[in-house]
Amino acid sequence: GAVVSQHPSWVICKSGTSVKIECRSLDFQATTMFWYRQFPKQSLMLMATSNEGSKATYEQGVEKDKFLINHASLTLSTLTVTSAHPEDSSFYICSATDDPIQYFGAGTRLSVL
Amino acid sequence: GENVEQHPSTLSVQEGDSAVIKCTYSDSASNYFPWYKQELGKRPQLIIDIRSNVGEKKDQRIAVTLNKTAKHFSLHITETQPEDSAVYFCAASIETGANSKLTFGKGITLSVRP
Repeated sequence: GAVVSQHPSWVICKSGTSVKIECRSLDFQATTMFWYRQFPKQSLMLMATSNEGSKATYEQGVEKDKFLINHASLTLSTLTVTSAHPEDSSFYICSATDDPIQYFGAGTRLSVL
Repeated sequence: GENVEQHPSTLSVQEGDSAVIKCTYSDSASNYFPWYKQELGKRPQLIIDIRSNVGEKKDQRIAVTLNKTAKHFSLHITETQPEDSAVYFCAASIETGANSKLTFGKGITLSVRP
């Protein structure tokens, strides 16, 4: 199957700082990437749909100014958690679509102190 | 919007036995149903999927069945092995191209007892 790379895999930051997470499709071009948040022992909650060259579409309840998404190329999307707070601590996973199959990155565990 | 329900939340089987995991969906327009396996601390991996134009699909020890009328689909694992232990997520979507969003069930933790 296709390979999606996500990094960093783990990040610890101080409250108030911003953290950028990268998601890359390594062997295919993805016009669409998705960003999910996963709490322990819970399902994947879609945060936003990222389209190359256009603004992301955010799910209801997700603050777009808090979670900035950029999809500048067909192989790279980034999620920036701005002014992170402890409640933003979570597991963030991206996926890239080789339509209709979504291939997932390995996830980023964010811990905000 | 689509709502995918997955029950129960945990399932324990003896090695060698079969396991069946069921999901229901709400939107009759949904036409693509993938199953993902997520081992602890790892990424979700697609294990099998089915489209609404077929009722069953099989891949070695894994099969998926779809009942469009009842709006439910099931994952069947035969001859279970300890390495099948993981969280399994079902999902549903309406295929509209690359923007097709998946709605996931809450996941079921399968434990295979040696």
